[in-house]
Amino acid sequence: DAKTTQPTSMDCAEGRAANLPCNHSTISGNEYVYWYRQIHSQGPQYIIHGLKNNETNEMASLIITEDRKSSTLILPHATLRDTAVYYCIANSGGSNYKLTFGKGTLLTVNP
Amino acid sequence: ETGVTQSPTHLIKTRGQQVTLRCSSQSGHNTVSWYQQALGQGPQFIFQYYREEENGRGNFPPRFSGLQFPNYSSELNVNALELDDSALYLCASSLQGGASTDTQYFGPGTRLTVL
Repeated sequence: DAKTTQPTSMDCAEGRAANLPCNHSTISGNEYVYWYRQIHSQGPQYIIHGLKNNETNEMASLIITEDRKSSTLILPHATLRDTAVYYCIANSGGSNYKLTFGKGTLLTVNP
Repeated sequence: ETGVTQSPTHLIKTRGQQVTLRCSSQSGHNTVSWYQQALGQGPQFIFQYYREEENGRGNFPPRFSGLQFPNYSSELNVNALELDDSALYLCASSLQGGASTDTQYFGPGTRLTVL
């Protein structure tokens, strides 16, 4: 899996958009970008993933740069319940069976 | 759709003992992966089971072993427990052979404390 780099922590005001960056400059052509989040002491929750195109679901949007070397997870209207550690992972899926987690970004949503 | 479940929620053992943790995969999934998460760290991959066979293993000693059953549920066994085995143990299920990416969905975890 390509190495990913994320800021250690970020703050966001409740109701505002939270934009979480991730650098994956060595990502290979068949590797997807996955985002998970983990609320304290719970299991990681899948958020979204993408390969080249931008993706949106009910939780978030994923913007991947054209060169695929970086991406941004966007939570459009952050709430206090979005406070969590967010992990960005590059993984090709299929037979590449393991997810390699870094330390992630602690997002704190403030009232 | 039934999500991933794990049991027990919490467990306390003493050094040298053996422990078995259990995981029921999400409905329709055929693959289970196990991860260990020490305090303050990201989850670390232990191994994966696909159709009852070990499909890959991380950097964990042989005293970490597993099983997958015909219904795709799984067990993680740890022998000769050490203090450093204290961690949150996470199970994730996925559908291999389905879509081109096999998104892993995690259970709530089992908190193991070794005294």
